[in-house]
Amino acid sequence: RKEVEQDPGPFNVPEGATVAFNCTYSNSASQSFFWYRQDCRKEPKLLMSVYSSGNEDGRFTAQLNRASQYISLLIRDSKLSDSATYLCVVNPARGSARQLTFGSGTQLTVLP
Amino acid sequence: DTEVTQTPKHLVMGMTNKKSLKCEQHMGHRAMYWYKQKAKKPPELMFVYSYEKLSINESVPSRFSPECPNSSLLNLHLHALQPEDSALYLCASSQGDNYGYTFGSGTRLTVV
Repeated sequence: RKEVEQDPGPFNVPEGATVAFNCTYSNSASQSFFWYRQDCRKEPKLLMSVYSSGNEDGRFTAQLNRASQYISLLIRDSKLSDSATYLCVVNPARGSARQLTFGSGTQLTVLP
Repeated sequence: DTEVTQTPKHLVMGMTNKKSLKCEQHMGHRAMYWYKQKAKKPPELMFVYSYEKLSINESVPSRFSPECPNSSLLNLHLHALQPEDSALYLCASSQGDNYGYTFGSGTRLTVV
């Protein structure tokens, strides 16, 4: 079983749609969780951290379910500029030298 | 300064060449990383430096040699690479637990 699993997509949605990505992780001791966004031929950029209480940043909502070892990202009112690959990222270790584990990414295309 | 700066942005090298990739951050982050990313794949960890000491080498071939001259700089020395080493090489830094990584824009390396 992969340490971090994501549905690779692709997800093709119309502008204005709501889209949800899911991610599962295998290490129950994982400490912190993130969603990154990566545009074609660019570096990954931190979109948001994911907390147990859930967190929201504008049109983006992230949820963490530790019992089910499950992370989600919801994008409301999709924009063309949201088209990218979304990477689920998990930090399995506590300590100063962190080793983030990346999911394989979910590709999103928002269509006009 | 909230950036990680990588140079060069593009590099073409022959299999007998020696070259170096450079990475710099001035955010006071004590952990720095080298990742390799092939097309349509997530980043793969190569090396981790924590407090200027190499803490993780993910079984990377010796033709890749990392160096951390000080807390702000990270180099990756390349020698006798193979065409399959062509990829996007990403540098990242982090400030500790519960914080994501900040990635540089990467060096796109082509080995001919």
